[in-house]
Amino acid sequence: DVKVTQSSRYLVKRTGEKVFLECVQDMDHENMFWYRQDPGLGLRLIYFSYDVKMKEKGDIPEGYSVSREKKERFSLILESASTNQTSMYLCASSLSGVPNEKLFFGSGTQLSVL
Amino acid sequence: LAKTTQPISMDSYEGQEVNITCSHNNIATNDYITWYQQFPSQGPRFIIQGYKTKVTNEVASLFIPADRKSSTLSLPRVSLSDTAVYYCLVGEGAQKLVFGQGTRLTINP
Repeated sequence: DVKVTQSSRYLVKRTGEKVFLECVQDMDHENMFWYRQDPGLGLRLIYFSYDVKMKEKGDIPEGYSVSREKKERFSLILESASTNQTSMYLCASSLSGVPNEKLFFGSGTQLSVL
Repeated sequence: LAKTTQPISMDSYEGQEVNITCSHNNIATNDYITWYQQFPSQGPRFIIQGYKTKVTNEVASLFIPADRKSSTLSLPRVSLSDTAVYYCLVGEGAQKLVFGQGTRLTINP
């Protein structure tokens, strides 16, 4: 089974801090994704990457950036955290080039910005 | 992007069969139908996927009529541990999948 590991389960940060959320997958998947999940809003795609050093904006990229220096690792960066970025952040990966692509998710990072 | 509509919540009892229907009127020819399950404080987990007719695995069955404008996830003999949110998604390519609010299924003793 694919394992997607997110470095932190819970994080508490202050407004204005720079925040790094790390995600590692062990199945050599080309695609990696960052979502945030808020009550009543479902999962919303922030950024995704289909290859090393490649990135594409999702539906809500404002206030975030990403880094993919190695195939297995995809980082989400909050340059200056704000309280409205308090959320559950979910990383996922998938195998490219198949018509029935499946997403494999990590357990999530609950970020609180105070 | 094909949108889906599913009930916000459902309740059932242990040992019952639960059917959750999803409508996707604008499904495209190449789109697959995929269902995910999410427990509290965890990421969604893939449970089943299909293109047409019926698919069955060890967890669930998926029924898709010929016009593919809807699908039904069937969970046989549910237990308390099946309490979760279930998402129905359609699309080709993971970046095009839209997770709505899902169906919050509560199983009662």
